[in-house]
Amino acid sequence: EDQVTQSPEALRLQEGESSSLNCSYTVSGLRGLFWYRQDPGKGPEFLFTLYSAGEEKEKERLKATLTKKESFLHITAPKPEDSATYLCAVQARSSNTGKLIFGQGTTLQVKP
Amino acid sequence: GAGVSQSPSNKVTEKGKDVELRCDPISGHTALYWYRQSLGQGLEFLIYFQGNSAPDKSGLPSDRFSAERTGGSVSTLTIQRTQQEDSAVYLCASSSLVGEPIVFNSPLHFGNGTRLTVT
Repeated sequence: EDQVTQSPEALRLQEGESSSLNCSYTVSGLRGLFWYRQDPGKGPEFLFTLYSAGEEKEKERLKATLTKKESFLHITAPKPEDSATYLCAVQARSSNTGKLIFGQGTTLQVKP
Repeated sequence: GAGVSQSPSNKVTEKGKDVELRCDPISGHTALYWYRQSLGQGLEFLIYFQGNSAPDKSGLPSDRFSAERTGGSVSTLTIQRTQQEDSAVYLCASSSLVGEPIVFNSPLHFGNGTRLTVT
């Protein structure tokens, strides 16, 4: 069964304190791995798609990396506005619908 | 441009009543998805539409749940005889698809959801 596990569930950082969020996945052939950001009361907002092991993508203070078993979202020198829940999702190559299977998310709080 | 729009944003209903949730996808997006997000849980897939057809309904929790899509655009999720365990945020997403066969490598764009509370 395709599965996504994110850790930690919650993370508190001081402003400027860099860290990483983990997404471990089991999927019958990976078509793509997606990272989303979700603010309270809002829908998930797309950040990155990674397709193959070794691929990296960056956006401002965020960098996503991918291996054959997991993905990391590195946050460099975070600011309070980076506080949100970060969701990881996989899309299986076998899927003919494109649906995403989500992890439970990591809630990040960055204190000034 | 306009994103995915969902209405209502909040809905409080009594147990046993029927509810309808609406989704307006991004114009031109042929793929539409419904997800459910319960407190402390991840997003749970409910149903997928390609145009007006629903080739994957595997996530619908029971026969009290149904959905339709008309004109390849607006979709309605209906929950009959609501139960307290139906309380959740219902999210709609749309995506553009290209190629033949369809290439599923474009991201899903989500609306802000409908928060359903069953009392």
